[in-house]
Amino acid sequence: KAGVTQTPRYLIKTRGQQVTLSCSPISGHRSVSWYQQTPGQGLQFLFEYFSETQRNKGNFPGRFSGRQFSNSRSEMNVSTLELGDSALYLCASSRTSGSSYEQYFGPGTRLTVT
Amino acid sequence: TQLLEQSPQFLSIQEGENLTVYCNSSSVFSSLQWYRQEPGEGPVLLVTVVTGGEVKKLKRLTFQFGDARKDSSLHITAAQPGDTGLYLCAGARRETSGSRLTFGEGTQLTVNP
Repeated sequence: KAGVTQTPRYLIKTRGQQVTLSCSPISGHRSVSWYQQTPGQGLQFLFEYFSETQRNKGNFPGRFSGRQFSNSRSEMNVSTLELGDSALYLCASSRTSGSSYEQYFGPGTRLTVT
Repeated sequence: TQLLEQSPQFLSIQEGENLTVYCNSSSVFSSLQWYRQEPGEGPVLLVTVVTGGEVKKLKRLTFQFGDARKDSSLHITAAQPGDTGLYLCAGARRETSGSRLTFGEGTQLTVNP
């Protein structure tokens, strides 16, 4: 069974631009969560999507948004990029939504904002 | 405020030594997961513990969930260079809707040959 895939793996953007990252969950998984990982803050929860609906949201500004498609694939978008948005963006999928279900992570997208 | 406190943050040991990593919180978790992450890659799930007092073994790794489900530990016996990596604990809380995980800061383990 293929794991979680994320594209692109690396991205360099300029301050003020916007970016879209993509995540394909494990086949059969319907929940996709997004996390931001930085050296200073560690892994921080961004949001979770389940059945094309945002189920949960972390403490990030409105510049961070996402969506999920009917095939469970998810995208996250960051608008008006700031230098502090440079991070490893990870998505994780689980079979369904809920605290009892294990999450499996993709390799991440390394975003660098210059 | 960090909900999950992990210690130590850094650990450098020689091959063959034993070590323990701790994950502590004042909150109760419905489950706790341990991950290992290599540089430039996503975290890889090692184990999930759900019952207070539960002990799980994965070869030379032993995971324990505290009786009150507020803390956990990871013990590695006879560490090998291949164990090098960032170890992360992550908790799921039942009162939080969905699949949101709260992560500790991580323990960077280096095992020297």
